[in-house]
This record gives sequence, structure tokens and C-alpha cells, in this order.
Amino acid sequence: SQQGEEDPQALSIQEGENATMNCSYKTSINNLQWYRQNSGRGLVHLILIRSNEREKHSGRLRVTLDTSKKSSSLLITASRAADTASYFCAMSGRGALNFGKGTSLLVTP
Amino acid sequence: DTEVTQTPKHLVMGMTNKKSLKCEQHMGHRAMYWYKQKAKKPPELMFVYSYEKLSINESVPSRFSPECPNSSLLNLHLHALQPEDSALYLCASSQPILSQGPAYEQYFGPGTRLTVT
Repeated sequence: SQQGEEDPQALSIQEGENATMNCSYKTSINNLQWYRQNSGRGLVHLILIRSNEREKHSGRLRVTLDTSKKSSSLLITASRAADTASYFCAMSGRGALNFGKGTSLLVTP
Repeated sequence: DTEVTQTPKHLVMGMTNKKSLKCEQHMGHRAMYWYKQKAKKPPELMFVYSYEKLSINESVPSRFSPECPNSSLLNLHLHALQPEDSALYLCASSQPILSQGPAYEQYFGPGTRLTVT
């Protein structure tokens, strides 16, 4: 199984700023997904991007995928304190998901 | 209803105890998962059930025994655990995955915080 590498490991910004986190992976994928986790609770699915897509939007979220570089980025625009959470990319491999190491985002008022 | 429920929320057990974690979903999903998550780490896949049959076992020790009695329920039976098994155990469900096929969006429960003393 492959595990993605995410950077930065931790990110601290102020409300209203944009947050960008990156995910790199090693083998080919069917799709890549992003999840959010608040305070050690369950994960919430944010967005799924297929291997033949380059960019996808959902509300304040923008995800890009570059399969030639085996990397993806998640941009959260106009961040809010409620966006404070851990964010994980997850690669769709042999019928299951493999999660990256995660980025811990802190948004301060 | 897009909710996955897990019980109990917290569990403290001794190394000689036998306990079970329960997970339930009513979204009609035919794939269900158990993950283990240690603090500040990503979830690690333990088991996958597809159409109530075990399809993936990620070399999990036999002291963890999964069971899928029907399409809505998933159990994880625990016996003779070690302190290092203390973690957050997450259940998830999704549309069923074809062999080697793409994974679908997964819906997670809130988890069971397990402490082994």
C-alpha cells in the first residue's frame, strides 16, 4: 500500500487567509480524495478528483491533481475558525483507500 | 440518512477482557471498513467487507476478529489486547468496490476511543 506525503505537516493562519496543503503519492491512482477530521473524531469526505480530472471546486475548496508529478493540492479560501482540523488526502488503490500523513490546520480569529 | 453510528464511544478494557465494537449504517452501502488510528497519525486500514464477505485483511493480529452479520452491521470482537492496541477505531461504509476498482467516497462514524490497561 502507498501512503501519501503531505506538506506542510502543520499550518497556522488567520481567519480570512487562504490555506494550501499539498499531497504527493508514489504509484498510479484511480482517484484521490480529501477528508477533514476534527479533534480525533470521524473523518468527513470533502472532495473526490478522478485521475482524468485536473481541477475541481466545491464551495470554498479547490483541489488540483497533477498525475505527471503525482501530486495534489487542496486550497481553502477565506478560511474560518471552524476550518481548524486535520486534513488528509487519500489515494484510491487496489479497491481501498490509503491515507496520507495529514496536515494539521489551525485558523485563529 | 447519511450517518454511521458506532458504539460505545469510549471503552476501557483489561488485557484479559473480551469486548466488541459495533458499527451500523442504513445507507444501503455494501462495503464496510474498520480503521485504527493512533494520535496524530492517519487512519490505518484493518479490514474491508464487501457484500458481507471479508475481502481485505491487512495482516491484522488474530486478537481482532471482525464480523459482518448483515449488510447494515459490522462488529469488531476484541480479545487479549495489548496496551499498544489503544487507539481510535473508526468504522466507515461506501458503495461496494470492484476488485482493483476505484474507491468511492467513504462515510465515517465518530469512532470508539479504546484504552487497554
